[in-house]
Amino acid sequence: EAGVTQFPSHSVIEKGQTVTLRCDPISGHDNLYWYRRVMGKEIKFLLHFVKESKQDESGMPNNRFLAERTGGTYSTLKVQPAELEDSGVYFCASSQYRAGELFFGEGSRLTVL
Amino acid sequence: QKEVEQNSGPLSVPEGAIASLNCTYSDRGSQSFFWYRQYSGKSPELIMFIYSNGDKEDGRFTAQLNKASQYVSLLIRDSQPSDSATYLCAVNGEGSYIPTFGRGTSLIVHP
Repeated sequence: EAGVTQFPSHSVIEKGQTVTLRCDPISGHDNLYWYRRVMGKEIKFLLHFVKESKQDESGMPNNRFLAERTGGTYSTLKVQPAELEDSGVYFCASSQYRAGELFFGEGSRLTVL
Repeated sequence: QKEVEQNSGPLSVPEGAIASLNCTYSDRGSQSFFWYRQYSGKSPELIMFIYSNGDKEDGRFTAQLNKASQYVSLLIRDSQPSDSATYLCAVNGEGSYIPTFGRGTSLIVHP
């Protein structure tokens, strides 16, 4: 069974540019989560989808971040325009049940110069 | 704001010893507690979960929960060099199904 996959694994962009991160959850997992880890800090929650619906987006830092999950399958997280403080590792996770085990992808490392 | 605190380490133990990893949390109503292991450059993976006060054992791993003290720990017996990784404590606060993570503790098991 394929795990959670994320693309790209690493992206280097300049301040002001746009980046789109993609996450493919485990097939059949309705719950999809985005987290972010800034260097030296804890992994912080960004938002949670159930199928295509945003259930909780309380962790999204500002309106430069836009997450979508069209059709309830893969999800994208767009940062536009990127700022220096957006640098970090963006993790996607999926789960079959709420409050259940989260299966994480290997993360997308974003570097904003 | 709900917080989960861990000593970042590194915690260094010799092979064969018991490694003790600790975590405290601020939300007294928290119900679910998880330990994830993350190897460098890899994804976090769940190794233990615990919901009730007391101990829960799974192979070489034991999770201990004390809700009165708002404290959860992970013991690794007979530590192996392959256990060297960062261990993340995660807690579901009261009424929440979204885990809040600590910064993680780096464990080094030396031969």
